[in-house]
Amino acid sequence: EDQVTQSPEALRLQEGESSSLNCSYTVSGLRGLFWYRQDPGKGPEFLFTLYSAGEEKEKERLKATLTKKESFLHITAPKPEDSATYLCAVQGYMGNSGGSNYKLTFGKGTLLTVNP
Amino acid sequence: ETGVTQSPTHLIKTRGQQVTLRCSSQSGHNTVSWYQQALGQGPQFIFQYYREEENGRGNFPPRFSGLQFPNYSSELNVNALELDDSALYLCASSLDRTYEQYFGPGTRLTVT
Repeated sequence: EDQVTQSPEALRLQEGESSSLNCSYTVSGLRGLFWYRQDPGKGPEFLFTLYSAGEEKEKERLKATLTKKESFLHITAPKPEDSATYLCAVQGYMGNSGGSNYKLTFGKGTLLTVNP
Repeated sequence: ETGVTQSPTHLIKTRGQQVTLRCSSQSGHNTVSWYQQALGQGPQFIFQYYREEENGRGNFPPRFSGLQFPNYSSELNVNALELDDSALYLCASSLDRTYEQYFGPGTRLTVT
């Protein structure tokens, strides 16, 4: 069964203090790894998709990287508005007969708080 | 371009009742996936619909069922509600089955 473990569970940073969030995974037939941001009481907001080891994607203060067993979300000089829960998900093959059956398996997320 | 919308926003039901949640997918998207998110947990995959057919299912009992309509909007039905069904129910649409998924705001279901 596909598994995703995110660490740390919670992270508190000062504004401008860079850090990284970790996502380790086991999956059968990885199709892609996804990062989402979720604000309290809202749906996840898509950030990045990574497909192969060595790939990197950047958006503003965020950079996502991927290896064969884990992904990192690097946050450079964070601001208070970056405070949110960051979710990692892997898209793996379900193995059902017929069709293209892939599902997203999410980790529990990392709650990031950036203090001014 | 309109994003993914869900209705209702909040719902309170009694144990044993039935509930229907609705989702309108983003324009041009033919795939809808449903997730259950308990407090403090990541979303759990319920099932996916592609062009009106179920395209995969997670570890949820048969009392969780769904539909997708010709306009690619979707419904999630839950029968015989249990207290543990209290959660945020998320709908996500995508351009096709394996593309990135865009989530709606969710429906908060409380079962008493």
